[in-house]
Formats: sequence, structure tokens, C-alpha cells
Amino acid sequence: QQQVKQSPQSLIVQKGGISIINCAYENTAFDYFPWYQQFPGKGPALLIAIRPDVSEKKEGRFTISFNKSAKQFSLHIMDSQPGDSATYFCAASNNDMRFGAGTRLTVKP
Amino acid sequence: NAGVTQTPKFRILKIGQSMTLQCTQDMNHNYMYWYRQDPGMGLKLIYYSVGAGITDKGEVPNGYNVSRSTTEDFPLRLELAAPSQTSVYFCASSPTGNTIYFGEGSWLTVV
Repeated sequence: QQQVKQSPQSLIVQKGGISIINCAYENTAFDYFPWYQQFPGKGPALLIAIRPDVSEKKEGRFTISFNKSAKQFSLHIMDSQPGDSATYFCAASNNDMRFGAGTRLTVKP
Repeated sequence: NAGVTQTPKFRILKIGQSMTLQCTQDMNHNYMYWYRQDPGMGLKLIYYSVGAGITDKGEVPNGYNVSRSTTEDFPLRLELAAPSQTSVYFCASSPTGNTIYFGEGSWLTVV
């Protein structure tokens, strides 16, 4: 049973557009919600993370929106660039980290 | 700055063979993890450890074993390899159980 559900599976965005990836979780014990970015042939790397006591966190072009009551959170990538093309994973943690299935983002020039 | 180091990078195994994926980290992290990554399935937690001498099962532990005799090392043992274990394996570590640092991955094919 997938504890963290992620959508969409793939996403194509034009350069300069906004990329939005959504995740939902079930376990209310989760207390840390990161997003990871993975390029082909590499391990995932932390992009941005949020705790459930805040509703939004922004770092440069990347923003996490968090809705605790709905048990949902999302990643917004503003002014998307071809270099952002990668697979993105949401995750949720309470000692052991559980990942969503991933979203393959393609940003077209 | 090595971080998390996994070996081997690539391996082909025959059905029924056994092998160990090695993982070592030089960041003195207490938490260590093994994940497998299959296309469209994300990362599935196999085993994790919160410190030397302590290991716990994750989502998909069957067919695998781990040990954690030191803080630095967390090897993953595959006994009686099966085609279903063809995957990319990632070792990772964390200081607190939150921010996770991944290795480069080990590509395993069972034929």
C-alpha cells in the first residue's frame, strides 16, 4: 500500500512555465515532507523540505505548499527551465522515509 | 568529500546466486537506509538502521538481509537471487532521520 501518492506520473512544461506536482499522504505521524530531485544515473538529492507547522516554504524558484487538514502537499517550480528536467519525488518521514512514485518533468525550450 | 559510497556500481547475477552490496558513509550519520528503485514505482525502503547494532525492516525486506556492526557500514545481502530483484539499489544515510543523502546507486540484473 502506497503511503505517499504522487501525481502526475509525467509532466511536460514549456520554458518559463509553472510546474506543479502533487502528493498526498495517509499517516498522520509523518512530520517531515521533503522533495527530492533525481537526474538520470544519479541518486536523488534533497531539493526543499517542509514541516507540518507551516503552510508554505519558498526557496528561489521552488515552493512547497502544505495542507495539513487535507494531508496534501505540492511542489511548484516557477519559471521552469530545461535544466529542471529530472524526476521529482515527494516523501514523508517519521524515522523511516517513504517516497512517492515520482514525476518525470520535461521542460521544453 | 566521499559521502555515501556504494559498491559495486553494476553487477549481473545468475538466479540462485548470492551477493553483498557494500555501503559506507563518512559523515558519522546514525541513520542508514537501503532503497530499491523500479521504473514508475519510486523508491521502496528495504531496510533501515537508526544506529550501530540496530536494524529494522522497511516496506520490501523479503529476500534481503542487512547488518550494522559499525556506524560507517551498512551492507545489504541478497540470498538466492531472483529476477524480481533486478533493480537499482540506493544506500543512503541521515544524521537525524530527515534529510537523507543518497549514494550513486548500484545497478543489479538477475538473469
